[in-house]
Amino acid sequence: RKEVEQDPGPFNVPEGATVAFNCTYSNSASQSFFWYRQDCRKEPKLLMSVYSSGNEDGRFTAQLNRASQYISLLIRDSKLSDSATYLCVVVPYNQGGKLIFGQGTELSVKP
Amino acid sequence: EADIYQTPRYLVIGTGKKITLECSQTMGHDKMYWYQQDPGMELHLIHYSYGVNSTEKGDLSSESTVSRIRTEHFPLTLESARPSHTSQYLCASSSLRDRGSNEQFFGPGTRLTVL
Repeated sequence: RKEVEQDPGPFNVPEGATVAFNCTYSNSASQSFFWYRQDCRKEPKLLMSVYSSGNEDGRFTAQLNRASQYISLLIRDSKLSDSATYLCVVVPYNQGGKLIFGQGTELSVKP
Repeated sequence: EADIYQTPRYLVIGTGKKITLECSQTMGHDKMYWYQQDPGMELHLIHYSYGVNSTEKGDLSSESTVSRIRTEHFPLTLESARPSHTSQYLCASSSLRDRGSNEQFFGPGTRLTVL
């Protein structure tokens, strides 16, 4: 079983749609959680951190459920520029801050 | 924008050649990393360093080697390239001082093709 698993993609949605990505992780001793965004043939970039209380950044909302070892990302009013691959990232305890990446979920927003 | 650079951006080379992929960052970060990513697949950590003269192997076994003689520089070397080494190699860095973040900043990557 992979340490971090994400919804298989791709997600093809029209502009303005709301889309949700799910991610599960296997290591209960994980300390930090992130969503990264990776555009086609580009490097990953941090989109947002994920906190237990849930957090929002504009049209993006991230949720963490430690009991279920589950992370989600909600994108509201999707734009063409949101098209990218979204990577779920987990940082285990006591591993020197190493990031464990999911395989990514591709989003394609169409006009 | 992150100040982390990789050269070359693209490299096509024949089997058996020795290659070095360069990575430099100007942010004074202690930690540096090398990832390997095949198209449509997840990133795999192949090497990391916590500072000068510190290097460790990552989660994915790799025939490459790394060195960290200067804080800002973390080159990756393949002594004898093979077609199985064809992939994208991404360098990243983060700060030990910024413990609350764990954010890693990535370079643009090197796309390596071994014929």
